[in-house]
Amino acid sequence: DSGVTQTPKHLITATGQRVTLRCSPRSGDLSVYWYQQSLDQGLQFLIQYYNGEERAKGNILERFSAQQFPDLHSELNLSSLELGDSALYFCASSVGTGSSYEQYFGPGTRLTVT
Amino acid sequence: GQNIDQPTEMTATEGAIVQINCTYQTSGFNGLFWYQQHAGEAPTFLSYNVLDGLEEKGRFSSFLSRSKGYSYLLLKELQMKDSASYLCAVRDSNYQLIWGAGTKLIIKP
Repeated sequence: DSGVTQTPKHLITATGQRVTLRCSPRSGDLSVYWYQQSLDQGLQFLIQYYNGEERAKGNILERFSAQQFPDLHSELNLSSLELGDSALYFCASSVGTGSSYEQYFGPGTRLTVT
Repeated sequence: GQNIDQPTEMTATEGAIVQINCTYQTSGFNGLFWYQQHAGEAPTFLSYNVLDGLEEKGRFSSFLSRSKGYSYLLLKELQMKDSASYLCAVRDSNYQLIWGAGTKLIIKP
């Protein structure tokens, strides 16, 4: 158990819909990262927040947005869903953004768009 | 552009040794990580290298050569539970992690 929690574990929804994925980082971690992993694909970095502020953006679509709240939990919002958005979405956290800080991953949310 | 290369898939025998290579071209270098990911599960941290040389941790070792842009993960005394994907990730000059596509390791009895 990494200490990072994600809800829900599974989500099935239809094309065109909007969903929200939630992540609570490990106690004391200020940085939160969101990743997308499609079937048999590598991790695609979406976005990073550090202490409530957006820190870095990866390959995140305009239909996707995220935020980190004052209690440090984070939400990833996916809208106008398409079949290709079906994937595992991981949240990770780290203490800070320095070079040696490893990321701890949550169990993921499996999104299925039908 | 930034690039990390790993073999897509490798096969090894239980009890043997396997070396998974990773080569990288990134804008700057601030450390290299190896993660293990079982199918459908979250990646878990294995090792971190920032200086040249070998880091040993039980059955797993990781090597780094910064001048060659090269790292390897060495797994000894392979067990069936080592069947997983192994991800190489490099932290660039902006302290962002650049991820390789991963190497799927299949262990045969």
